[in-house]
Amino acid sequence: DIQLTQSPSFLSASVGDRVTITCRASQGISSYLAWYQQKPGKAPKLLIYAASTLQSGVPSRFSGSGSGTEFTLTISSLQPEDFATYYCQQVNIFPRTFGQGTKVEIK
Amino acid sequence: EVQLVESGGGLVQPGGSLRLSCAASGFTFSSYSMTWVRQAPGKGLEWVSVISSNGYDTFYSDSVKGRFTISRDNSKNTLYLQMNSLRAEDTAVYFCAKKMESGTFPDDFWGQGTLVTVSS
Repeated sequence: DIQLTQSPSFLSASVGDRVTITCRASQGISSYLAWYQQKPGKAPKLLIYAASTLQSGVPSRFSGSGSGTEFTLTISSLQPEDFATYYCQQVNIFPRTFGQGTKVEIK
Repeated sequence: EVQLVESGGGLVQPGGSLRLSCAASGFTFSSYSMTWVRQAPGKGLEWVSVISSNGYDTFYSDSVKGRFTISRDNSKNTLYLQMNSLRAEDTAVYFCAKKMESGTFPDDFWGQGTLVTVSS
């Protein structure tokens, strides 16, 4: 199975900060990576797919980049509604593994 | 509007069985692969299983292979997960999700989940 390692696991930031989360894959997955946002008690929400394509309706302050084994999710200016847990997922092969998550909290 | 509504969760003893359902609406159910993902209390997301649009192809995580069976009834717009030989570590919220497109695409819509608790 492909292992995904996110860093950091926990991040404390302020409104307006630029935030970057990294996802590393144990083997190359081309650009077959998605990012999700999950708030407590809610279902995950798709933010980005194909490593860098913004899902419809997602604010442009979210962006993704990378290919192969290293990927990043960037929030250009953190907003109050962005405090949540973020997961990467590889969709290259089954099983479609997730990273362990990065919790973004208010500083 | 796409809607996915899971049901069938509850408390079950170790070794028991449970069948989850996911009722879909707002899209052509028979055209999309469907997925089950679970989340243990306070933990991250774990991919469980996927089924192709026609139901012919299925894949499972190693942790549930041989115990869980995914299926669908396209005439009823419903996805199922039959869970047998349940263990304490299967305790989780189970989400159903719609695959965005065929091929290497993620899941773009998710239900709100149903809680399965395995305990004596």
